[in-house]
Amino acid sequence: DAKTTQPPSMDCAEGRAANLPCNHSTISGNEYVYWYRQIHSQGPQYIIHGLKNNETNEMASLIITEDRKSSTLILPHATLRDTAVYYCIGINTNAGKSTFGDGTTLTVKP
Amino acid sequence: DTGVSQNPRHKITKRGQNVTFRCDPISEHNRLYWYRQTLGQGPEFLTYFQNEAQLEKSRLLSDRFSAERPKGSFSTLEIQRTEQGDSAMYLCASSPMGQGYYGYTFGSGTRLTVV
Repeated sequence: DAKTTQPPSMDCAEGRAANLPCNHSTISGNEYVYWYRQIHSQGPQYIIHGLKNNETNEMASLIITEDRKSSTLILPHATLRDTAVYYCIGINTNAGKSTFGDGTTLTVKP
Repeated sequence: DTGVSQNPRHKITKRGQNVTFRCDPISEHNRLYWYRQTLGQGPEFLTYFQNEAQLEKSRLLSDRFSAERPKGSFSTLEIQRTEQGDSAMYLCASSPMGQGYYGYTFGSGTRLTVV
């Protein structure tokens, strides 16, 4: 399973876009890139996922590089409630376990 | 379906006691995972099941830890002779057999404190 690397912390001003990078150079061809976020004392919650193409949903956008070695999660208009720890992870649920890194703590400031 | 349910939410126990946690996955999900998370760290994989079969266990899972998933439905994680180092959040997740849309769906976790 893929090993991921993320910056330990980032700040963002409220209302601005938050761009969270992730390096996953060891991701295999059949692993999807998933992003989760975790608010204190809760389990990780799904945000978005993709395989090769860029994706957008009501929460965020995901940009995956053509070589699939890195991706960026974009929160277009960050709010104070987006303050959380964000994890990227490669998942192939047909293959078994996946390994989490330590994530990025995003702090949205007023 | 109300998602993945974990009980209890919090457990305080004295060192040396045994504890058992329960996880009820999403009913149609074949796979069930246990992770452990300590403060400031990402979740660490412990074990996972496909239906009732335990397919992989981490080296983190010492012989004091045992997990079961009878009949491929709910799962239990038991820790015998608890130690202070076992204090952590224990997370359960489930996924369907194929490439489910949400990947893993996590429960809210059981926070264990060993005193």
